[in-house]
Amino acid sequence: DSGVTQTPKHLITATGQRVTLRCSPRSGDLSVYWYQQSLDQGLQFLIQYYNGEERAKGNILERFSAQQFPDLHSELNLSSLELGDSALYFCASSPDGLAYSSSYNEQFFGPGTRLTVL
Amino acid sequence: GENVEQHPSTLSVQEGDSAVIKCTYSDSASNYFPWYKQELGKRPQLIIDIRSNVGEKKDQRIAVTLNKTAKHFSLHITETQPEDSAVYFCAASKTITGNQFYFGTGTSLTVIP
Repeated sequence: DSGVTQTPKHLITATGQRVTLRCSPRSGDLSVYWYQQSLDQGLQFLIQYYNGEERAKGNILERFSAQQFPDLHSELNLSSLELGDSALYFCASSPDGLAYSSSYNEQFFGPGTRLTVL
Repeated sequence: GENVEQHPSTLSVQEGDSAVIKCTYSDSASNYFPWYKQELGKRPQLIIDIRSNVGEKKDQRIAVTLNKTAKHFSLHITETQPEDSAVYFCAASKTITGNQFYFGTGTSLTVIP
């Protein structure tokens, strides 16, 4: 167990709908990262939050948004869902996303949320 | 942005043999290179990492080498065991700009008993 929790584990919805994925980082970790894993795209970085502020954006679609709350949990919102959004969504956390120290750079992954869009 | 390429995509070895997985990266400013193991349906887990100021790191049967000049790094697993069977991902990141990982496409390793 990495200490990172994600809910729900599975989500089945229809095209055009909106869903929210939730992530709670390890205690004390300030950085939260979201990744999308699909069969044809591998593990792709979506977005990073650090202590409540957006730090970096990757290949995140405009239909997707995220936020990190004062208690450091994060939510990923996916809207106008398409079939191609079906994937495993991972959240990861690390103590500090900027520190030049290997002990701060490891990212701990949650169990993932499997999203199926029908 | 950073582009990480990983080879081979699949690898089968006999139990006890060695396995080598290679990755290249494009951004010379990347300075942290972790390797993750992912078993089917489970989360990726760190198995070893290396920083840009180190050329080699070893942890029991696992080692990683880094060539900054050529911008490539490799994972070496010796004396492979069936429980080493999994998908392995390399990644590169720039810790000074947020440490977001750019992953390779993964290598599915099968260790044949």
